[in-house]
Amino acid sequence: AQKITQTQPGMFVQEKEAVTLDCTYDTSDPSYGLFWYKQPSSGEMIFLIYQGSYDQQNATEGRYSLNFQKARKSANLVISASQLGDSAMYFCAMRRNHRGSQGNLIFGKGTKLSVKP
Amino acid sequence: DTGVSQNPRHKITKRGQNVTFRCDPISEHNRLYWYRQTLGQGPEFLTYFQNEAQLEKSRLLSDRFSAERPKGSFSTLEIQRTEQGDSAMYLCASSFGGASNQPQHFGDGTRLSIL
Repeated sequence: AQKITQTQPGMFVQEKEAVTLDCTYDTSDPSYGLFWYKQPSSGEMIFLIYQGSYDQQNATEGRYSLNFQKARKSANLVISASQLGDSAMYFCAMRRNHRGSQGNLIFGKGTKLSVKP
Repeated sequence: DTGVSQNPRHKITKRGQNVTFRCDPISEHNRLYWYRQTLGQGPEFLTYFQNEAQLEKSRLLSDRFSAERPKGSFSTLEIQRTEQGDSAMYLCASSFGGASNQPQHFGDGTRLSIL
């Protein structure tokens, strides 16, 4: 069975500092995709970054980077230079890339990030 | 790109009533997904469409739930005889294809409260 685990219910970070949000996953599929989404209090899920299981390099998107360690099945999100607007729930998700898979995302329980001024 | 649109944003109804939500995906996206999110949890998959065909339904989707996507454009999710446990945020997402590298783009969701 596929599963995403986010062990940090809440995290605090000082403005302008970097923060790492943990994500581990479980799958027996050789091909899959890993995603991070941000959900502000307004409710919308905002796509942040993607990492493919066969990608050799860690993904980066602006202030977001993904620390992908395939052997450990971890895909941690690193946010550099935190801003007050980064305060939100962050979800790690996985999508299968297997013939016949439906492509739906499997989400973790999320981590609530609070950025302190 | 106007994004995924959902309405209503909020719906309050009495137990036993029927409710219907609408989702307008990004226009060129052929896949449309429905998820349900309860408090303190991540979204859980309900069902998805490729164009107008509903290709999978999660076991979370009881017989009281029905979804349609006529003409492969907007989609509706109907809940009949609502129950307290149906209170949740209902999220719609769309993507171009089902490959693992295609991100799903979400709407703002419809928050359902059952009195």
